[in-house]
Amino acid sequence: NAGVMQNPRHLVRRRGQEARLRCSPMKGHSHVYWYRQLPEEGLKFMVYLQKENIIDESGMPKERFSAEFPKEGPSILRIQQVVRGDSAAYFCASSPPPGTGLSYEQYFGPGTRLTVT
Amino acid sequence: DQQVKQNSPSLSVQEGRISILNCDYTNSMFDYFLWYKKYPAEGPTFLISISSIKDKNEDGRFTVFLNKSAKHLSLHIVPSQPGDSAVYFCAASRSGGSNYKLTFGKGTLLTVNP
Repeated sequence: NAGVMQNPRHLVRRRGQEARLRCSPMKGHSHVYWYRQLPEEGLKFMVYLQKENIIDESGMPKERFSAEFPKEGPSILRIQQVVRGDSAAYFCASSPPPGTGLSYEQYFGPGTRLTVT
Repeated sequence: DQQVKQNSPSLSVQEGRISILNCDYTNSMFDYFLWYKKYPAEGPTFLISISSIKDKNEDGRFTVFLNKSAKHLSLHIVPSQPGDSAVYFCAASRSGGSNYKLTFGKGTLLTVNP
């Protein structure tokens, strides 16, 4: 019974490089949310995706950040030209589809800790 | 503007006693509330939730109380156990659509002393 999978768990990038974070939702879940946690802060919503569709990206920085959830394969959060301020823990969560009565509850992966040097 | 606030950064209680964690919110559109527990270097784990149509929800040692008029909720853990030591996050969501993105507080670090 696999939960939400994220990889890599730790990622170190130099300033200016690209970071790719992957998330595989729980079996049967078709909705993925990405959150970012800065030090000493709570989790902040970034983007909400369904398969092949971005539903809400209101929490994404306007530049350098993008996300996708293709028909096949994991969801990917991509950060181009990383800067030191991007250092954070990035969490992915998945939920059942709306209408199931359980779609309010999100289940989180272990996170990817990105360090930009 | 922080819409979900957990004003106590930390709380320390004795094993066997009650732990009470508090949370306030400002957005009256929130109608579903959740508590998550988080250990270091792990993702948040869902604990318990409550809909705004209720004022109490209980699951084993965990009870969540909601006071809509005060925009306040609390999580009670009784009896507290050392394994409960973790950071607890309060989160809120809005229904009325298909986007259930969560707004989190900053968390409260609970320490249960043996």
